[in-house]
Amino acid sequence: DVKVTQSSRYLVKRTGEKVFLECVQDMDHENMFWYRQDPGLGLRLIYFSYDVKMKEKGDIPEGYSVSREKKERFSLILESASTNQTSMYLCASKGDMISYEQYFGPGTRLTVT
Amino acid sequence: AQTVTQSQPEMSVQEAETVTLSCTYDTSESDYYLFWYKQPPSRQMILVIRQEAYKQQNATENRFSVNFQKAAKSFSLKISDSQLGDAAMYFCAYRRIGTGTASKLTFGTGTRLQVTL
Repeated sequence: DVKVTQSSRYLVKRTGEKVFLECVQDMDHENMFWYRQDPGLGLRLIYFSYDVKMKEKGDIPEGYSVSREKKERFSLILESASTNQTSMYLCASKGDMISYEQYFGPGTRLTVT
Repeated sequence: AQTVTQSQPEMSVQEAETVTLSCTYDTSESDYYLFWYKQPPSRQMILVIRQEAYKQQNATENRFSVNFQKAAKSFSLKISDSQLGDAAMYFCAYRRIGTGTASKLTFGTGTRLQVTL
């Protein structure tokens, strides 16, 4: 079974703090994604990576950056957390070519106070 | 840009009954994939069913089936013999054919399904 894990289920940070959200997958997948989930807005793509050290902006990249130094790990960074970044963050991974499915992690509920 | 619309924020169904969740989408592509994902309360998102646009036959997975109307750009999910474990948030999603950039999903806003006794 594919396993996608996220470093924290719940996180509380203060405004202005630098925040790291970690995601690890164990299936040697090329593609990894960071989504943000908000009520009434569904899931919106922040960033994705289709290879090590490769990244592309998604629909809402402002205020975020990412890092992928190893194939299995994809980090989301909030350089200076703000209250409007309070949200559920979901990581996903997907193999390439004929692989259809994105596999999701359990999510990190981040609260910025 | 592709968009996915779910017009039913909440739905309710009685146990053992059938419910249909609606989804429409907009794309200029002729080939693509459509998905329904399920997110149970406090649990991970999992894939329920997928449909390849080039296939005319509607996909089915046990009690879950879709009604795919390509011309109308409609992709509804039917859940038969509803069970308490079906209670969840359901998301419709779209993806282009291909790799790399095409791998990203565009999601609808979700439908919360409640199952009652």
